[in-house]
Amino acid sequence: AQSVTQLGSHVSVSEGALVLLRCNYSSSVPPYLFWYVQYPNQGLQLLLKYTSAATLVKGINGFEAEFKKSETSFHLTKPSAHMSDAAEYFCAVSDPGNAGKSTFGDGTTLTVKP
Amino acid sequence: EAEVAQSPRYKITEKSQAVAFWCDPISGHATLYWYRQILGQGPELLVQFQDESVVDDSQLPKDRFSAERLKGVDSTLKIQPAELGDSAMYLCASSTLAGLMYEQYFGPGTRLTVT
Repeated sequence: AQSVTQLGSHVSVSEGALVLLRCNYSSSVPPYLFWYVQYPNQGLQLLLKYTSAATLVKGINGFEAEFKKSETSFHLTKPSAHMSDAAEYFCAVSDPGNAGKSTFGDGTTLTVKP
Repeated sequence: EAEVAQSPRYKITEKSQAVAFWCDPISGHATLYWYRQILGQGPELLVQFQDESVVDDSQLPKDRFSAERLKGVDSTLKIQPAELGDSAMYLCASSTLAGLMYEQYFGPGTRLTVT
């Protein structure tokens, strides 16, 4: 069975500061990993994905994530936070051998202070 | 840009009533997902379709929930009767098997409130 743990349900940073959102996963097979962003009362939007190519993945809006197999982690970072980054972020793991069934973490709410 | 459509966006219903949600995936996407998202939690898969066939409905409460995708295109999720605990956001997503990436495209969701 696969699972996702997002450490820290709330993260607060100042505008211009580094953003770090943590995600650890467990999977019995090499997984696909995703980060999604959700704004209030909207669906989820894909930020980036890891699918066994480069371990450092670059996504939209200046976000990137690094896959570390030894640590079973896929942390999301952005060098400089912008006010518009305030949202909820979800990490997800997908099992390519199980019709792509995805399991989501419980999310991290990012607050950006001016 | 193609999008997943859902309706209604908001629904308020009384407990014991029936309610239905509709989803139209991106054209050509064979896989369709229904998720339930309780406030403060991540999406939980209710049912996954591959074309018109159910691939996974292990988390669907089958005594009150039903889902169909008769022609392998749009889909309907029904709850009958609704209970207070069903209040949540219901998200539809679709994906293509191209490259087996399973990247999912989400609709805006239906916010259900059961009173």
